[in-house]
Amino acid sequence: DAGVTQSPTHLIKTRGQQVTLRCSPKSGHDTVSWYQQALGQGPQFIFQYYEEEERQRGNFPDRFSGHQFPNYSSELNVNALLLGDSALYLCASSRTGLSEAFFGQGTRLTVV
Amino acid sequence: EDQVTQSPEALRLQEGESSSLNCSYTVSGLRGLFWYRQDPGKGPEFLFTLYSAGEEKEKERLKATLTKKESFLHITAPKPEDSATYLCAGVGAGNMLTFGGGTRLMVKP
Repeated sequence: DAGVTQSPTHLIKTRGQQVTLRCSPKSGHDTVSWYQQALGQGPQFIFQYYEEEERQRGNFPDRFSGHQFPNYSSELNVNALLLGDSALYLCASSRTGLSEAFFGQGTRLTVV
Repeated sequence: EDQVTQSPEALRLQEGESSSLNCSYTVSGLRGLFWYRQDPGKGPEFLFTLYSAGEEKEKERLKATLTKKESFLHITAPKPEDSATYLCAGVGAGNMLTFGGGTRLMVKP
């Protein structure tokens, strides 16, 4: 079982650019959630996808958008990047009806 | 609004010196309280889920407990390899994890 996989592992972007991060959930999981973790802080919930629809959203602007594909994999898109978007972006997968969420290794995004 | 607070923010222990990490929570309709371990630059690694007050779970040198307002992660006779950030998170009616700020644990040989 490969677990939750994210790509890329590191990324450097310039302010104003757009970025797409990708996540493949753990086998058997159908729900994908995205979190942003600033240095030295706990992860903050961005949104959750189930059955290809956004089911829940945290307090993040519309510049953050996502998508879930029929195979349950997911993308996080961030438009008009700001310096403050620099963080570790984490993907977590879970199975509907169960609470346990498993995380990928994250994508470290640096905006310069 | 759901809230999770962890203390202390940082903890230094000598190898073999047992201690406890605290997680206070206000989560509406709590469905589970989670503990994760996170190493620098990596994703959180799942440790435990606790579902109801009075529940306890153990894994090697770690033991997690839950009350109606708090959870504790007890570390017995820690080793240097236990050094990491320990994160606590609650899941409520909103079906999303609300994390605390974490406790950075350093165990010195």
